[in-house]
Amino acid sequence: AQSVTQPDIHITVSEGASLELRCNYSYGATPYLFWYVQSPGQGLQLLLKYFSGDTLVQGIKGFEAEFKRSQSSFNLRKPSVHWSDAAEYFCAVGVWETSGSRLTFGEGTQLTVNP
Amino acid sequence: ETGVTQTPRHLVMGMTNKKSLKCEQHLGHNAMYWYKQSAKKPLELMFVYSLEERVENNSVPSRFSPECPNSSHLFLHLHTLQPEDSALYLCASSREVGYEQYFGPGTRLTVT
Repeated sequence: AQSVTQPDIHITVSEGASLELRCNYSYGATPYLFWYVQSPGQGLQLLLKYFSGDTLVQGIKGFEAEFKRSQSSFNLRKPSVHWSDAAEYFCAVGVWETSGSRLTFGEGTQLTVNP
Repeated sequence: ETGVTQTPRHLVMGMTNKKSLKCEQHLGHNAMYWYKQSAKKPLELMFVYSLEERVENNSVPSRFSPECPNSSHLFLHLHTLQPEDSALYLCASSREVGYEQYFGPGTRLTVT
């Protein structure tokens, strides 16, 4: 079965600094990969997705992520963080199997942005 | 309205009450999902519906009863809940099962 690990439970960065959130997955083949963001009291919003093709994907709000097959990683990056980016970020892995398909979420990384 | 909507946004109920959560998607999707999000726990998938047919039920207690009358609406009927059922309940939809999911804002449920 697939699994997703977000090693950092909580990250603090200063406004204007660069950001990288880590995501590692475990699955025998190439999965579909997603990053979602959740603001307090809200649902999850899709930031970006990777299905195939170019391994560097661009998302909304200035985020990008890079799929690295050799490292089983799909890290999320942003060159300059804004205070409004403070939220919880979830990486998710989608796989297709003969029994159906499934989306598995990581435990999330809470991002705090200091002024 | 656009996207995925959920009502109510907040619900407080006693353990003997019966209530229902409603989800509606305006995206023309064929799959809908219920998730439970508790503090300090990963998102838990509860139910999956594809074209109004339940395709997955992840060992959810029978006090949670889903209903999908059509591809745009999904309900979660609640009865005799326990305090540990207090959580944020999220609804999501996708074009088909396995594609990216779009989430509603959630219903914050408190069981007293």
